[in-house]
This record gives sequence, C-alpha cells and structure tokens, in this order.
Amino acid sequence: GNSVTQMEGPVTLSEEAFLTINCTYTATGYPSLFWYVQYPGEGLQLLLKATKADDKGSNKGFEATYRKETTSFHLEKGSVQVSDSAVYFCALRDSGGGADGLTFGKGTHLIIQP
Amino acid sequence: DAGITQSPRHKVTETGTPVTLRCHQTENHRYMYWYRQDPGHGLRLIHYSYGVKDTDKGEVSDGYSVSRSKTEDFLLTLESATSSQTSVYFCAISGRQEINEQFFGPGTRLTVL
Repeated sequence: GNSVTQMEGPVTLSEEAFLTINCTYTATGYPSLFWYVQYPGEGLQLLLKATKADDKGSNKGFEATYRKETTSFHLEKGSVQVSDSAVYFCALRDSGGGADGLTFGKGTHLIIQP
Repeated sequence: DAGITQSPRHKVTETGTPVTLRCHQTENHRYMYWYRQDPGHGLRLIHYSYGVKDTDKGEVSDGYSVSRSKTEDFLLTLESATSSQTSVYFCAISGRQEINEQFFGPGTRLTVL
C-alpha cells in the first residue's frame, strides 16, 4: 500500500534560518505529491504540489522537487519567518484514476522563534 | 478560499449516542471526503463520495456511515459514539478538473465522554 514518512518534530528554528522538512513515500503507481500547511485552529491549506517526476512545486517561498529515484519530496525554504510556524503535512495521491483520498504523513510541527 | 463549511464546529457527546456531522460546499464539486486527524497519525480517510448517492469506504471506516443525497452536502454519522472516536474531523472536496487537489473545511472537534 501507499505510505508517507516525514519527521514529526517539533522542529524549532530561528527566524531567517534555512528550512528543510524531509518527506519520503512508498506508492504502487506514479503518485501526485503535495505539501499542506495547517495553522493553529484551522483546516489544511494546499501549499504546493507536483504531479510528475522532476516537477518542482513552489509557493510563498517554499519549494519541493519530486524525486522519483529517491522517492522523496522534501520541503525547503531559504529564510523562514515567525508566521511560518504551523504543522506541515506531506501527502500523496496514487495515479490509479479513482476518486479515493490522499495518504498523509503524520505532520511536522514547525516552530520559528524571533 | 473554497466554500466549505462544517457543522457543528465543536461537539461534546456521551458514549453510545448517535452523532451526525455535516459538510456543506458551494463549489458544486463532485468529490467529497471525510478524514479524521489524531496526534501521531496525521489525517486518515474515513469515507468518500464520488457523486450523489455514490460513496465508498476509506482506511478507517469502521463505526462510521455516510450519506450524500445532494451534491452540496455530505453527512458523516457515528451510529453509537465511542471514546476512540474523539478526534478532529475534516471534510474535503475535489473538483472535476483538479481531481488531485483537495480543499479542506475548518474541521469539527468531537469529544466523546
């Protein structure tokens, strides 16, 4: 079956530090990959996505590259801000063509200190 | 933001009582999903719907049922709530053109005592 593995944290960084959150996956087909962000007390918001190998998703200074050879989709940002504090979820959707849902990692709690 | 609302937003109930959570969308999207979020588990799929009256089970469907009598509403029912169903429940929708991309509602926090 499908699975997503990511560090759970909490990950604590200082403002303006470089961020990497690792995500690796197992899938039976050729999945689409996503990063979602959840701010306290809110639902999940799509941050970025990539639908095929070597695609790079980017949004709000975050980026992630779909690496088929290493089955990875690591999230990076060059300079984090306090407002980036949130829980980040890596997720995949298999390419089977059905309407079934996403498979999520357990989430990484990111804390940015001023 | 996608037009998704969930009701109620918070609920406390007792073991053995029935509970129904509602997801309402104004986007006319075909696909709707119910997930639960628990510490250490991320989000897990309970049930999903691919059209009116068309539903299927997800990873953690035991103890839950769903119904979709019209495009805009997707109901999740706990027939007899148990403490293990204490969780935050999220509804999500996905459109015809972007079936891979899901948009999430604000969540319902359910506590079963």
